[in-house]
Amino acid sequence: NAGVTQTPKFQVLKTGQSMTLQCAQDMNHEYMSWYRQDPGMGLRLIHYSVGAGITDQGEVPNGYNVSRSTTEDFPLRLLSAAPSQTSVYFCASSWRQDSSREKLFFGSGTQLSVL
Amino acid sequence: SQQGEEDPQALSIQEGENATMNCSYKTSINNLQWYRQNSGRGLVHLILIRSNEREKHSGRLRVTLDTSKKSSSLLITASRAADTASYFCIGFYNTNAGKSTFGDGTTLTVKP
Repeated sequence: NAGVTQTPKFQVLKTGQSMTLQCAQDMNHEYMSWYRQDPGMGLRLIHYSVGAGITDQGEVPNGYNVSRSTTEDFPLRLLSAAPSQTSVYFCASSWRQDSSREKLFFGSGTQLSVL
Repeated sequence: SQQGEEDPQALSIQEGENATMNCSYKTSINNLQWYRQNSGRGLVHLILIRSNEREKHSGRLRVTLDTSKKSSSLLITASRAADTASYFCIGFYNTNAGKSTFGDGTTLTVKP
């Protein structure tokens, strides 16, 4: 099992460009989520999904879109990149968050810089 | 603003000492989890405590939960230099399975 795989590891964008951060898990997890981490801070929830076809907003959803067409994949789209979106992005997955197996598995992160 | 808050933000101790970190939250939670992060890498799960539990142990880790005060504490006993990392709590909402909030974290430095 590869766990949670995020690509790319590093990305530099110009203001206004769009891109998709990829996240895939091979553990058949129902729950997937995206976080951003800014220097010296904790992680803030961007979007999450409790199953294929179901997504919802977290704390900081503006400027980001998600979709969950399969159980395995949960891509995060930046529609028009802004310097304020410079951050490290983490994807995480788990079984249902209201079950007995709620431990989150994290990807290794994507460092994004928007110039 | 984030609901979870860790206290202290930074902690420096000698090897062998105990380290205690606190976390507070504002919304009723289903469970609260503690994670460790080394130098900006991905987070690693340490321990989970459910809202109907008051204390849990795992090796050198002890976590407590006080739902009346909406707070949790993580105790690391007999700390080692390898425990140097940032520690975060995350609470999953009781009324919306899936929605969560992270604290800002405590940076722990264990001096050999």
